Amino acid sequence: NAGVTQTPKFRILKIGQSMTLQCTQDMNHNYMYWYRQDPGMGLKLIYYSVGAGITDKGEVPNGYNVSRSTTEDFPLRLELAAPSQTSVYFCASRPHSYEQYFGPGTRLTVT
Amino acid sequence: TQLLEQSPQFLSIQEGENLTVYCNSSSVFSSLQWYRQEPGEGPVLLVTVVTGGEVKKLKRLTFQFGDARKDSSLHITAAQPGDTGLYLCAGGRETSGSRLTFGEGTQLTVNP
Repeated sequence: NAGVTQTPKFRILKIGQSMTLQCTQDMNHNYMYWYRQDPGMGLKLIYYSVGAGITDKGEVPNGYNVSRSTTEDFPLRLELAAPSQTSVYFCASRPHSYEQYFGPGTRLTVT
Repeated sequence: TQLLEQSPQFLSIQEGENLTVYCNSSSVFSSLQWYRQEPGEGPVLLVTVVTGGEVKKLKRLTFQFGDARKDSSLHITAAQPGDTGLYLCAGGRETSGSRLTFGEGTQLTVNP
């Protein structure tokens, strides 16, 4: 199993551009999450999903959108990139137990 | 409002020393997890505790969940440079459904 994979690893965006961060898991987990991590900080929840077709907002959803059309994929969309969205983005999934499994992250810079 | 407070925020010690990091809250959690994150990587789960007073050992790491399930500690014995990383605690609450609340982490550096 590859676990949780994220693409791209790095991206530089100009202000106002859009992009989609991809996340795929091959563990058949129902629950999936998107977090952002700013330097020296913990993880802030952006959006999460409890199963295909179901998504909900986390702590910091403004400026982002998600969809969950399949169990495996949970893409995160930035529509109008702003410097405040410069961060490292982590996708995670979990089975019915508590543990979350994280991807390697996407480092995004908006200039 | 930060529901989980971790202390210290930064810790730099010499190889062979012992250390304890803390994760405190005024809220009760149904589960408490500890993760370690190395530079450029995602967090990796170390342990989950679910019972008040529970103690779990993972080699030189000892994790304890407070009796009231509001706090937790991580003790490392004879720290090694390979223990260097960001240690994150995360709590799950029944009122939060499937979400976890993360602390801001303790950055540990173990110098050879």
